[in-house]
Amino acid sequence: SAVISQKPSRDICQRGTSLTIQCQVDSQVTMMFWYRQQPGQSLTLIATANQGSEATYESGFVIDKFPISRPNLTFSTLTVSNMSPEDSSIYLCSVGTGQAPGELFFGEGSRLTVL
Amino acid sequence: KNQVEQSPQSLIILEGKNCTLQCNYTVSPFSNLRWYKQDTGRGPVSLTIMTFSENTKSNGRYTATLDADTKQSSLHITASQLSDSASYICVVSDRGSTLGRLYFGRGTQLTVWP
Repeated sequence: SAVISQKPSRDICQRGTSLTIQCQVDSQVTMMFWYRQQPGQSLTLIATANQGSEATYESGFVIDKFPISRPNLTFSTLTVSNMSPEDSSIYLCSVGTGQAPGELFFGEGSRLTVL
Repeated sequence: KNQVEQSPQSLIILEGKNCTLQCNYTVSPFSNLRWYKQDTGRGPVSLTIMTFSENTKSNGRYTATLDADTKQSSLHITASQLSDSASYICVVSDRGSTLGRLYFGRGTQLTVWP
């Protein structure tokens, strides 16, 4: 298993500002992902964080809005830029083991409220 | 269109009772199906993973079933406890050797009353 620490656990931000969420894993992992969970909705994949290269974004998500860094195999950050109230959500970091069928572990999430 | 539908959306049961949650999917090709439990304010935690060849898998008081022919799965909770109050999320993967693309249901919100 993997232990994932996310910071901050929650924050209240002003419109137009940016917030960076950190994800630290207790072991080296191949795959790291960032998800968004809006109230009453299913989890939506934002991007796959690639170590040493640009993240791979899903349709509807762009690097300018959600820049992601992954400097090594245990750490990643997600920045939510120029926030609006529509960005209020839970953001989840997750990691995969890469072995079939592939276990997927989640962090505790970062609950973001934009005023 | 690949989708995962869960029912009911919410459920209230009394402590000690059993319950069954449903998951129907249209994901193809199918690789595996997962059930996660998400406590309020926490991240999802895996309960079971079932591949095409498995039709039942248990994890303590949780038993998941899979019918790949009808594309249905259920999660049965036996002798419910207050700590079972959570959202239960069904996730279907469309590929095998890596995680593949994952399709998430919206979850069933279970509340267990004393």
